[in-house]
Amino acid sequence: DQQVKQNSPSLSVQEGRISILNCDYTNSMFDYFLWYKKYPAEGPTFLISISSIKDKNEDGRFTVFLNKSAKHLSLHIVPSQPGDSAVYFCAAIPMDTGRRALTFGSGTRLQVQP
Amino acid sequence: DTGVSQNPRHKITKRGQNVTFRCDPISEHNRLYWYRQTLGQGPEFLTYFQNEAQLEKSRLLSDRFSAERPKGSFSTLEIQRTEQGDSAMYLCASSRGVGQDTEAFFGQGTRLTVV
Repeated sequence: DQQVKQNSPSLSVQEGRISILNCDYTNSMFDYFLWYKKYPAEGPTFLISISSIKDKNEDGRFTVFLNKSAKHLSLHIVPSQPGDSAVYFCAAIPMDTGRRALTFGSGTRLQVQP
Repeated sequence: DTGVSQNPRHKITKRGQNVTFRCDPISEHNRLYWYRQTLGQGPEFLTYFQNEAQLEKSRLLSDRFSAERPKGSFSTLEIQRTEQGDSAMYLCASSRGVGQDTEAFFGQGTRLTVV
């Protein structure tokens, strides 16, 4: 049973436009969410995170939105750049349980066309 | 380079053989994690250490798998009697381990192929 789902395996956008990557979760114990970016032949790198006490967190071109009632989060990249082309993973963690294992989605491959 | 280091980068082994992977975390990081990633999937948690103590293990970690972190520094992951289903990328990550830190830094991984 996938507790974190990224239903779009791939996304293609034009340079300068907005990229929106979506993520849904089923486990109501999750209270902290992260996005990782992965280039080929490299490990995932942390991008941005959000606690369940917030509904938005912004860092430069990257904004993560959290809708707890819908158990949905999204990553917005504005403006998109060719260097953003990578696989993006959504991950979640039940912080209050004391557990530290990240549960990842299956990823969305973003391609930004020049 | 002071990032997470994993060795070897690639390993090809015959079914039934034992393999061992090594992970050197970022030096001041107390927490160390092992994940496994198969094609088209996100990383799946295997186990994690706080210093030398193994605090959490996934049900994916069968009795053929064992992980150690003897002095709270580097860690090894051993797979005994490998099976073709063990073929995957094995990722190690570390984090500071202070309070509720969540940002884990990943290594480049060890790609295992069992033939």
